Amino acid sequence: AQSVTQPDIHITVSEGASLELRCNYSYGATPYLFWYVQSPGQGLQLLLKYFSGDTLVQGIKGFEAEFKRSQSSFNLRKPSVHWSDAAEYFCAVGDQYGNKLVFGAGTILRVKS
Amino acid sequence: EAGVAQSPRYKIIEKRQSVAFWCNPISGHATLYWYQQILGQGPKLLIQFQNNGVVDDSQLPKDRFSAERLKGVDSTLKIQPAKLEDSAVYLCASSTRLSNYGYTFGSGTRLTVV
Repeated sequence: AQSVTQPDIHITVSEGASLELRCNYSYGATPYLFWYVQSPGQGLQLLLKYFSGDTLVQGIKGFEAEFKRSQSSFNLRKPSVHWSDAAEYFCAVGDQYGNKLVFGAGTILRVKS
Repeated sequence: EAGVAQSPRYKIIEKRQSVAFWCNPISGHATLYWYQQILGQGPKLLIQFQNNGVVDDSQLPKDRFSAERLKGVDSTLKIQPAKLEDSAVYLCASSTRLSNYGYTFGSGTRLTVV
């Protein structure tokens, strides 16, 4: 069965600074990997996904993520954070069909002005 | 396209009462999921439907939780009787292979059991 670890519970960055959120996964086959964002009281919004091809994936809102098979990682990055990026971010791994997503515990991002 | 619709948005019940949540997926999405998200945790899959059949309900506490998806469209999730530890946000999501993987989530129902 697949599993996901997000090592950082909270991260605080200054507005305009770069951001990297860490995600490590465990899955025996080719993983399907996702990043979602959740604002307070809202559902989950898909930022980006990876299932094959180029290991650097571009998403919405200026986010990107890089799949590194050797490190079992799928870290999320943004070069310049905006105050509106403050939210909780979830990494998820799906089975070989992209189904049955298993989520990490999430990382809460705080942006200070 | 319209998103995944869920109702109600909020529900407060006493323990041992019953409650039901409703989900209307995106039109044409054959796969529907119910997730439970306890405060401070990531969502956990409860059940997956493919059309009106159950694909995976291995993590559904079947002594108190039940779910159905009649006619392969709308779905309801029921809890009877509720326990304090059932307090959570219940998220519905739908997907189709044509969407190239990734789910679309509804806004969820926040359940508080007192």
